[in-house]
Parts: sequence; structure tokens; C-alpha cells
Amino acid sequence: KAGVTQTPRYLIKTRGQQVTLSCSPISGHRSVSWYQQTPGQGLQFLFEYFSETQRNKGNFPGRFSGRQFSNSRSEMNVSTLELGDSALYLCASSSNRGQETQYFGPGTRLLVL
Amino acid sequence: AQKVTQAQTEISVVEKEDVTLDCVYETRDTTYYLFWYKQPPSGELVFLIRRNSFDEQNEISGRYSWNFQKSTSSFNFTITASQVVDSAVYFCALSEARTGFQKLVFGTGTRLLVSP
Repeated sequence: KAGVTQTPRYLIKTRGQQVTLSCSPISGHRSVSWYQQTPGQGLQFLFEYFSETQRNKGNFPGRFSGRQFSNSRSEMNVSTLELGDSALYLCASSSNRGQETQYFGPGTRLLVL
Repeated sequence: AQKVTQAQTEISVVEKEDVTLDCVYETRDTTYYLFWYKQPPSGELVFLIRRNSFDEQNEISGRYSWNFQKSTSSFNFTITASQVVDSAVYFCALSEARTGFQKLVFGTGTRLLVSP
């Protein structure tokens, strides 16, 4: 089985722009979660989607949003980028039958200038 | 509130030494899962192990072993006969029943450097 894939792998944006990151889960997995990793804050949970519905949300401002499509692929959007949004964004998928392990993709490294 | 503490920021060992990475957690839930993930320089988090709160049996997988003790809220990870390829950042994480187990709370990670 192919693993979780994320595109693009690297991205450079300027302040004020918006960005969309994409995540394709492992085949058969219906839950997709997003995490932000920064040197200062570590790994933080952004949100989780299952069957196109957001089920959990972390403590991030409304500039961070996401969605999930019927094929379980997910996108994450950050509007009005700030310098502090520079981070590694990791996507994870699980089959979510209740207590399933999350498997992570390689991440998208975003640099905001 | 849930919290995971990895007090060791960085550990340096020489190849073939044994090393233990500590993890202490806090949760009010009685049903939860604990995880260890490895993050090599490439950035991807690699799943190593999952333990549920009702299973305190220790586990060994090759050179890796895990010691789960609810009495001390600890879930420590030992690498026996370390190798250079073990060099990475290791994260301990917690998920709880009340969030559907889908929200992982991570510790700050322990960077392990294994030199030849």
C-alpha cells in the first residue's frame, strides 16, 4: 500500500498571501488529521476530518481551515500568511474504526517571507 | 488537561550503547493510547508502537523495548545496542477517548545522536 502523500513538499510564500496544502491518505483510510510543527511550539494538532466532516479542531485561528473530499483526500488552507506560519505541516491518516493508529506523510515545509 | 513530558532534550551515545528515552504523561481519561514516533532528518514521523491504557504489558521488538507503568504515568522507550541509524528525534504522544483518539498530543521530543 502506498503511504500518505503530501503536495507540495516545499513552498515559499510572502506575508499576506494564502496557501493550500494537499494530503492523500492511505488507501482505505477515511480519517485525515493535520499537524503543525515549529521549533518553538513543537507538534500541534490543527484539525481532523472524517467523511468530509471536521470532527476535532485544535487551538488555531480561523485563518487555518481545511476540507475533505469524498475520496478522503484533504486540503488545508492558510489565509493571510504570517511569518509565524512558517512550519512543517504534517498530515496523518487512519482508518478510524475508533482506536486506530495515525500514519504520517512526509510533510510540506512552508516558508513565509 | 492532557500533557506529555519528555524531559530529555538531547542524548548522545556511542554505537552499541543502550539508551532509554523517558516519557511522562498526564490525562484525566481512563481510556487512552500512548505512542512513540521516530522523526528522521527527512521529517516524516514513523510510527513505532501504540499501547492502550488497559495493557501494561511491556513489549519488545528487536532492539526496541517499551516499559509502560500506569502507577508513575510513564511510557519509556529503550534502544538496546544503539546504531547510527537510530539517530533521530523521538516523540512520545497521547490520545484520549474523549477526542475520539484522533487528536495526538505530543511531547517536545528527544533528539538521539548515535556516533560511530
